[in-house]
Amino acid sequence: DADVTQTPRNRITKTGKRIMLECSQTKGHDRMYWYRQDPGLGLQLIYYSFDVKDINKGEISDGYSVSRQAQAKFSLSLESAIPNQTALYFCATSDRTGSGETQYFGPGTRLLVL
Amino acid sequence: GENVEQHPSTLSVQEGDSAVIKCTYSDSASNYFPWYKQELGKRPQLIIDIRSNVGEKKDQRIAVTLNKTAKHFSLHITETQPEDSAVYFCAPNSGGSNYKLTFGKGTLLTVNP
Repeated sequence: DADVTQTPRNRITKTGKRIMLECSQTKGHDRMYWYRQDPGLGLQLIYYSFDVKDINKGEISDGYSVSRQAQAKFSLSLESAIPNQTALYFCATSDRTGSGETQYFGPGTRLLVL
Repeated sequence: GENVEQHPSTLSVQEGDSAVIKCTYSDSASNYFPWYKQELGKRPQLIIDIRSNVGEKKDQRIAVTLNKTAKHFSLHITETQPEDSAVYFCAPNSGGSNYKLTFGKGTLLTVNP
């Protein structure tokens, strides 16, 4: 979906380096999410944010941190990257609704930690 | 929170056959039942959804059926084609102000030519 963008699309880094993955959206959605996907596996929730002042840990938040700089921007940081953080990372957004939630995903960032 | 299970985890069919993937959930408050498709190396995208006041919905070769009493819904793909090969995720939910959506673990569908 062109309304959710992620940068970079691919990144190679070394163990111990700090890196940041960025997500921007033009959908005007309140909710933003970061997921990790390992090959052949499902979506694991890292962090989520229901609005600018709200940050929540997901299933696998250890080793990660996030920043919600604005409604449209949600960044994921790896403070000290390690090889088992090699994965495909997706950002997603959704609108607040009481009648059901659809998530819209960015194109993903492939991260390789050497 | 919602407990979501998908079956089977992998499914292999011959081109032209039908495929059915089932999603069971635990939260009786769930009222929205979407299915997402993720092609290899790409992002998950919504392909079909159904709301709790409807029992079945069709869109060309795909359909979703809902059994709210039994708390499960299914994705049906007829006349499968190689381009249907993908991972399919369900994500039953009710939205709401503080609700956190849970995805199923996914079903890998392979359509063999």
